[in-house]
Amino acid sequence: AQSVTQLGSHVSVSEGALVLLRCNYSSSVPPYLFWYVQYPNQGLQLLLKYTTGATLVKGINGFEAEFKKSETSFHLTKPSAHMSDAAEYFCATNYGGSQGNLIFGKGTKLSVKP
Amino acid sequence: DAGITQSPRHKVTETGTPVTLRCHQTENHRYMYWYRQDPGHGLRLIHYSYGVKDTDKGEVSDGYSVSRSKTEDFLLTLESATSSQTSVYFCAISGFQGRDEQFFGPGTRLTVL
Repeated sequence: AQSVTQLGSHVSVSEGALVLLRCNYSSSVPPYLFWYVQYPNQGLQLLLKYTTGATLVKGINGFEAEFKKSETSFHLTKPSAHMSDAAEYFCATNYGGSQGNLIFGKGTKLSVKP
Repeated sequence: DAGITQSPRHKVTETGTPVTLRCHQTENHRYMYWYRQDPGHGLRLIHYSYGVKDTDKGEVSDGYSVSRSKTEDFLLTLESATSSQTSVYFCAISGFQGRDEQFFGPGTRLTVL
């Protein structure tokens, strides 16, 4: 079965530090991969997505993610955390076509300390 | 922002009562989805629709039904609400199933007492 694993339900970083949120997927075929962000009491907003082509994907708010097929990973990074980055982040995947419903990881809550 | 609204935004109801949540879109997207979000579970798909009158079950469909009589509206009904259905419900839309991202509504917080 398709699945997404996000390592760490909570991650805390200091303002200005590197943000690294981990996502691994299970797949025997190339997946489509997404990162969403959810601010408190809001819906989910797309940060970035990988479908095909360049494996390093740049998103909004300075975030980027790299698709590594050999490691079945799609980790999210940002070089320098800002207080406004505090939110919950979800990795999601699907496999395209008529069975392409999104499967979400359980989420990682990011805290940013001043 | 994608034009998606959900109503009501908050609802408190009692066990055994019927509840209907509405999702309305102005984007003319073909696909619409209902998810529930619970702590420690992420988002789980309840039902989805791939066109008017075309719906299918998701991962956690027991106790829920849906209807889509118009492209812009997707209704989620709890026929007889239970406390286990206390959750935050999100509607999402997409133009193409699979490769396209989904756009999410603001959510409905439902409490079943």
